[in-house]
Amino acid sequence: QAGLTQPPSVSKGLNQTATLTCTGNSNNVANEGASWLQQHQGHPPKLLSYRTNDRPSGISERFSASRSGNTASLTITGLQAEDEADYYCSAWDSSLNSWVFGGGSKLTVL
Amino acid sequence: QVQLVESGGGVVQPGRSLRLSCAASGFTFTRYAMHWVRQAPGKGLDWVAIIWHDGSQKLYGGSMKGRFTISRDDSANMLYLQMNSLRVEDTAVYYCSRETGGNAFDVWGQGTVVTVAS
Repeated sequence: QAGLTQPPSVSKGLNQTATLTCTGNSNNVANEGASWLQQHQGHPPKLLSYRTNDRPSGISERFSASRSGNTASLTITGLQAEDEADYYCSAWDSSLNSWVFGGGSKLTVL
Repeated sequence: QVQLVESGGGVVQPGRSLRLSCAASGFTFTRYAMHWVRQAPGKGLDWVAIIWHDGSQKLYGGSMKGRFTISRDDSANMLYLQMNSLRVEDTAVYYCSRETGGNAFDVWGQGTVVTVAS
């Protein structure tokens, strides 16, 4: 089934800013918003943001999300070594009547 | 603290069945819809199913329809996934997750491993 599109990998330097993108369509990201998850190797995912730009308690302000049309974005400022992980976007798809995920972006902090 | 603990995974032959369980604690289980999400080895996340907070609705991901059944026992704070006619491609870590109410997954268990192989 159709999913969301994310770049497979993103590399940025320590203390720099990384922006990860997630492209969907009018049935999911554009109308329903997107959420973002972080997953370190060997661990379950962790919610970073939902309803496009709400942050769960305990999530650093360095993580911020936004949306423009069919594309959702996650911006991570002041990159730290511990930010190196896989990042997934997800959204409710009103056409498929299901949740859809992006393929994930592997963030490397140089 | 809020916690989800999955169990029931294992090695099973193609065509056989398996039932996964998820024990919830630290929150009012009956207030939340619950998901199952899976992740094949080295792959991304794949949504499996959701059951509404009151059990009134259930939805399934494409390849799971007709084979998997999600259910809950609110008296025991338990979530279940009955998996029938298992295929090699169902091999994955299966996570249970709590629905935020904003179409997102805010609490995750550690996962249980299902391997389908002959």
